[in-house]
Amino acid sequence: DVKVTQSSRYLVKRTGEKVFLECVQDMDHENMFWYRQDPGLGLRLIYFSYDVKMKEKGDIPEGYSVSREKKERFSLILESASTNQTSMYLCASSSGTGVWEKLFFGSGTQLSVL
Amino acid sequence: GNSVTQMEGPVTLSEEAFLTINCTYTATGYPSLFWYVQYPGEGLQLLLKATKADDKGSNKGFEATYRKETTSFHLEKGSVQVSDSAVYFCALSSGQGAQKLVFGQGTRLTINP
Repeated sequence: DVKVTQSSRYLVKRTGEKVFLECVQDMDHENMFWYRQDPGLGLRLIYFSYDVKMKEKGDIPEGYSVSREKKERFSLILESASTNQTSMYLCASSSGTGVWEKLFFGSGTQLSVL
Repeated sequence: GNSVTQMEGPVTLSEEAFLTINCTYTATGYPSLFWYVQYPGEGLQLLLKATKADDKGSNKGFEATYRKETTSFHLEKGSVQVSDSAVYFCALSSGQGAQKLVFGQGTRLTINP
């Protein structure tokens, strides 16, 4: 089975800190995604990548950046964390290009910015 | 743009009750439709999917039919169990290239014994 591993389950940071969220997948998937999950809003796409060193903005990229130096690893970066970035962050991966392909999710990182 | 609307939760049912969670969508073209489930403390996992009109997705006793005429993809189960307690997300995908899912807001389901 595909495993998508997020480096931290819980993270507490201070306003203004630079924050790195790491995600690793073990199935050689081309596509990787970062979502944030907020109550009543569902999941919203922040950034995604369909190849190494490639990245594309999702629906809410402001305040975030990403890095994909290796195929298996996709990092989400908060350059200067703010309290409105307190959220659950979910990483996902998938293979292929068909719209019917399923996504495999990590178990999430709950980030609190104080 | 594309969007998904789910019935508001939380939903609380007794074991063996019939379940319906409503989902309607707005999309251009011919989207694929999905139900994902999130059990406590876990990430989302695919429950079922349908890729064209009138397709029925099914898994673990859950079913949903892709209704283009009503732009709906309602989730149903005839007899729920305590282990079905989770958050359920309806989603659609219509992009080219890498799949970009658009999710509904999620419906929390609690099943009491």
